[in-house]
Amino acid sequence: AQSVTQLGSHVSVSEGALVLLRCNYSSSVPPYLFWYVQYPNQGLQLLLKYTSAATLVKGINGFEAEFKKSETSFHLTKPSAHMSDAAEYFCAVSKGANAGKSTFGDGTTLTVKP
Amino acid sequence: DTEVTQTPKHLVMGMTNKKSLKCEQHMGHRAMYWYKQKAKKPPELMFVYSYEKLSINESVPSRFSPECPNSSLLNLHLHALQPEDSALYLCASSQVGTGGMNTEAFFGQGTRLTVV
Repeated sequence: AQSVTQLGSHVSVSEGALVLLRCNYSSSVPPYLFWYVQYPNQGLQLLLKYTSAATLVKGINGFEAEFKKSETSFHLTKPSAHMSDAAEYFCAVSKGANAGKSTFGDGTTLTVKP
Repeated sequence: DTEVTQTPKHLVMGMTNKKSLKCEQHMGHRAMYWYKQKAKKPPELMFVYSYEKLSINESVPSRFSPECPNSSLLNLHLHALQPEDSALYLCASSQVGTGGMNTEAFFGQGTRLTVV
């Protein structure tokens, strides 16, 4: 079975500081991995995805993630946090063919302090 | 158009009511999904439709009844719900089986359901 574990349910950073949200995956086959952001009372918006084309994936809003097979990790980073980045972030793994058939991590709440 | 549109945005219903949630997409996706999300929790997959046929039911109670009348529409019929069914219901769509760079699911904004 495939699963993801997000380390840290809450992360707080100062505006302008580095954002690092951690995600480790468990998969018996090469996974499809995703990071989504969810603002209060909103749906999920895809930030970026890993589909084996490149290990360093750049997404929207200045976010990027690096797939590290040796560490089974897919951590999300942003060099400089903005107040508008405050939201819930979910890492997810897809069972291949159906991208929407994803298993989500428990989520990380990002708080950005002025 | 990369939108998945869900209606209504909010719904309050009694335990004896019958209501329906609607989801629509015009991206040509042939896979559609219903997720349930409780507060402060991740989305949980409920149903998957592939080419308008139900392919996965994640052991969802029968008081939830999905329907996919055509390739653009997905409904979730609700009947005799319980207060613990109150949640955000998310619809998503994707291509089927393409893998690669086209693998992506698009989510709607959700319907906030309250059962009283």
